[in-house]
Amino acid sequence: QITLKESGPTLVKPTQTLTLTCTFSGFSLSTGGVGVGWIRQPPGKALEWLALIYWDDDKRYSPSLKSRLTITKDTSKNQVVLTMTNMDPVDTATYYCAHRQLVSGFYWYFDLWGRGTLVTVSS
Amino acid sequence: DIVMTQSPLSLPVTPGEPASISCRSSQSLLHSNGYSYLDWYLQRPGQSPHLLIYLGSKRASGVPDRFSGSGSGTDFTLKISRVEAEDVGVYYCMQVLQIPLTFGGGTKVEIK
Repeated sequence: QITLKESGPTLVKPTQTLTLTCTFSGFSLSTGGVGVGWIRQPPGKALEWLALIYWDDDKRYSPSLKSRLTITKDTSKNQVVLTMTNMDPVDTATYYCAHRQLVSGFYWYFDLWGRGTLVTVSS
Repeated sequence: DIVMTQSPLSLPVTPGEPASISCRSSQSLLHSNGYSYLDWYLQRPGQSPHLLIYLGSKRASGVPDRFSGSGSGTDFTLKISRVEAEDVGVYYCMQVLQIPLTFGGGTKVEIK
C-alpha cells in the first residue's frame, strides 16, 4: 500500500526559505517508472503543479518558479525534499506531494496524493 | 503554457440525475501516439485530490463506471451518469502533454 506524508513548517516569514519533506512508503524511488511530484493549492483556489523528480533523478520544474525551487530525493530514507526560496505571502498554500506512475509504457499520472500540509507565509 | 478552462464554475445537481463538466485547452492535447494527455481529478471537501480519469477517457482503478471521460484535441467532457451524494466536491482537469503541467480552475459540484 502506497502512502505519502508531507512535513515541514506551518509558518514561515517573508524572504525565508521553505523546506518540505515528503516521506513515502509502499514504493521505491530507485525503481523504474516511478516519480514524485509537488503540487500546491492556495486557500480556496485551484491546484498548481510545482516540480517533479523521477527514479533516474530526472527533474522538472514549473518555469514560473524554477529559479526558487529545488527538488531532491533520498532513496535510502524514502524521502523527497522540496525547497522554495524567498517565500512571500502569496505562497501561502497547502502543499501536496503525489506518487507519479508510468502506465502502458508511455503515460504518467498522479495516482496517489498525500494529505497535504498548510504553509502560511506571514511576518 | 497550456491554459485549461473549465465550465461551469459551479454545478448544482440532483441525486440520480446526470451531470457534465467541460474542459477546454488552449492547445491540442493530442499526442503523436494518438492519445489525449488529459486527466480528471476529484477533490472531496477537506480531502486531497484523487485520480478519476486518465488518457482522457480511461477510468482509474476503483472508479465507479458512472464516471466517463470523452473528447479529443482541445475539448473534453467528464460525465456522471447518475450523481450520488459522495460525488460532491471540486473536479479538476489537468493536461500532462507538456511542462508545465497545468490544471483547470475547477468545477464545484454540490447537491441541490
